[in-house]
Amino acid sequence: GDSVTQMEGPVTLSEEAFLTINCTYTATGYPSLFWYVQYPGEGLQLLLKATKADDKGSNKGFEATYRKETTSFHLEKGSVQVSDSAVYFCALSDHEGGKLIFGQGTELSVKP
Amino acid sequence: ETGVTQTPRHLVMGMTNKKSLKCEQHLGHNAMYWYKQSAKKPLELMFVYNFKEQTENNSVPSRFSPECPNSSHLFLHLHTLQPEDSALYLCASSQGDAKETQYFGPGTRLLVL
Repeated sequence: GDSVTQMEGPVTLSEEAFLTINCTYTATGYPSLFWYVQYPGEGLQLLLKATKADDKGSNKGFEATYRKETTSFHLEKGSVQVSDSAVYFCALSDHEGGKLIFGQGTELSVKP
Repeated sequence: ETGVTQTPRHLVMGMTNKKSLKCEQHLGHNAMYWYKQSAKKPLELMFVYNFKEQTENNSVPSRFSPECPNSSHLFLHLHTLQPEDSALYLCASSQGDAKETQYFGPGTRLLVL
């Protein structure tokens, strides 16, 4: 079945460091891909998404490109801030569009 | 900012209790979802409702019973739970199917003693 694999955390970075969180997927058909973020004590919120191959999603300085050839959707940010500390989830919608399938989440901690 | 609210935010219950979780969305969406979030595990989809009709039941034990009286409200009725059911229960809604953005509530933190 469809699945999402993320790099394990926690990831600890200093402020202004470059961030990459790896995400790869296995899917039938052509899923849409998402990054959600969960701040402490809150629910998940959409960070960015891409609906077809080579699309780049971007928001708040974060970006990810839908790479069909490598089945990847890695999250990047050029300069992280303390306020970016959160858990990041990669997800795909299954080929029927009936549900989201999430990775296990990657905790990011940014130190001043 | 969220248009999805959940009550209660925290719940402690014994294994013989019956309780209900409530979710309300103020976004005019037609689809609503229940997820279970346990430590160190991916989010698990439990139930999906579309226009008040259940379209997905992800092999959830019968001690969890969902109810969707209208497109804005979703309940999760709990009875005779087990300690391993302790988790964060998240509600979400979307306009259309899962290819569309899902909006999540803050969750109910459940502890089963």
